[in-house]
Amino acid sequence: NAGVMQNPRHLVRRRGQEARLRCSPMKGHSHVYWYRQLPEEGLKFMVYLQKENIIDESGMPKERFSAEFPKEGPSILRIQQVVRGDSAAYFCASSPYRGLQETQYFGPGTRLLVL
Amino acid sequence: AQTVTQSQPEMSVQEAETVTLSCTYDTSESDYYLFWYKQPPSRQMILVIRQEAYKQQNATENRFSVNFQKAAKSFSLKISDSQLGDAAMYFCAYREIGGDSSYKLIFGSGTRLLVRP
Repeated sequence: NAGVMQNPRHLVRRRGQEARLRCSPMKGHSHVYWYRQLPEEGLKFMVYLQKENIIDESGMPKERFSAEFPKEGPSILRIQQVVRGDSAAYFCASSPYRGLQETQYFGPGTRLLVL
Repeated sequence: AQTVTQSQPEMSVQEAETVTLSCTYDTSESDYYLFWYKQPPSRQMILVIRQEAYKQQNATENRFSVNFQKAAKSFSLKISDSQLGDAAMYFCAYREIGGDSSYKLIFGSGTRLLVRP
C-alpha cells in the first residue's frame, strides 16, 4: 500500500508566479490536511479537506492561497503570485476517517523556494 | 487556543545512553491525543508514539516511552539506548477532540537531537 504521495518534491518559482502542490492520499483515505513548515519552525496547520469539501481553512492566509480536493484526483494547494515569504516545506497528511483516534500519515513534503 | 511548547531547542546524548525530551501544552479540553513525531534530515515526518489523554498508562514503543502528566500538562519523550539513527528533529503535537473539530495537529517548535558516537 503506497504511502502519501506529494509532487513535486522540490519547486522553484520566481516572485509573482503560481505554485501548484499536489497530494495523493493513501488508498482509502478521504481526508487531507495541509501543513506548512517555515525554516527552523514546527509545522503549522493550514487547511483540512474531505472529498469535494473544505472543512476547516482557519490556517490559510486570506489571500493568494487556495486548496481543493476533487472527487477524482489529488488534493491541490495553490499559491498565486508567490512571494519570498512563501518559501517553506509544505506537507500533506491523510487519514481514512474524521476522528480523534485516526492517525494522520504524512507525505514527504514539497520544498518551495521563491527566488 | 491550544499551544504546545518545547523548551529545548537542542539536546545531545551519547550513543547507548538515555535522553528525555520535554513538552508542555496548554488546553482547557479534558480529552485529546498527544504525539511525538520524528523528522530526520530527509524531512519526512515519522510518527514515533501517541498517547490518549484519558489513559493513565504511559505509552511505550520499543525504546521510546512517554511520561504523561495530565495535571501538569506535560508530555516528555524518553529514548533509551540511543542510536545514531535517532538523530533528528523531534516534534511534540496535540490533537483536539469533539464537536466541529477538524482534529488538526498543533505542533511545538521542535527539539534537535544530536547523538554522539
